[in-house]
Amino acid sequence: DQQVKQNSPSLSVQEGRISILNCDYTNSMFDYFLWYKKYPAEGPTFLISISSIKDKNEDGRFTVFLNKSAKHLSLHIVPSQPGDSAVYFCAASGFFIIQGAQKLVFGQGTRLTINP
Amino acid sequence: DAGVIQSPRHEVTEMGQEVTLRCKPISGHNSLFWYRQTMMRGLELLIYFNNNVPIDDSGMPEDRFSAKMPNASFSTLKIQPSEPRDSAVYFCASSSRENTEAFFGQGTRLTVV
Repeated sequence: DQQVKQNSPSLSVQEGRISILNCDYTNSMFDYFLWYKKYPAEGPTFLISISSIKDKNEDGRFTVFLNKSAKHLSLHIVPSQPGDSAVYFCAASGFFIIQGAQKLVFGQGTRLTINP
Repeated sequence: DAGVIQSPRHEVTEMGQEVTLRCKPISGHNSLFWYRQTMMRGLELLIYFNNNVPIDDSGMPEDRFSAKMPNASFSTLKIQPSEPRDSAVYFCASSSRENTEAFFGQGTRLTVV
């Protein structure tokens, strides 16, 4: 049961244009959402996050949008740069009372390629 | 801080052998996660600990997989016996009560031949 889904395995964007990565989730208990970036042979690194009380969070070239009613979030990168080429993972977190701790669940990832 | 430290970085073993992956979380972090990266499922949560106690191991694929956290600074993920389909990159991550974001180690690339 994939609770966090990234339906696009790959995305190719021209340098300078906007990159939009999408993510859907199914569990309404999730209340915090994160994006991670992963380069080959490295662990994922945190990029940006958003709480469920907000619908937008911006950090430089990166903006995350959250649509709670649709259980959908997206990451916008503008302008896209060659160094942004990586695999991007969407993640969701929530405090599950039964389990008594935060649980961080990831999607399958989207490979973003920025073409010069 | 050195971050989350995993060892070994690479492991090649024969089918049927026991494999032990190790993780040292960031000092002061109280949650530890083991993930497996596959093409189909992305970063798949295997098990996570809170204050050294296993909270949810529903992601552990089979009884061949086991994980322990004997203290706040060390955890192991063991596969016995290993099979070729276990070949993947295994990540350990830790987080603190104050920060929801998890910090990842560099991973262990496991190859079972």
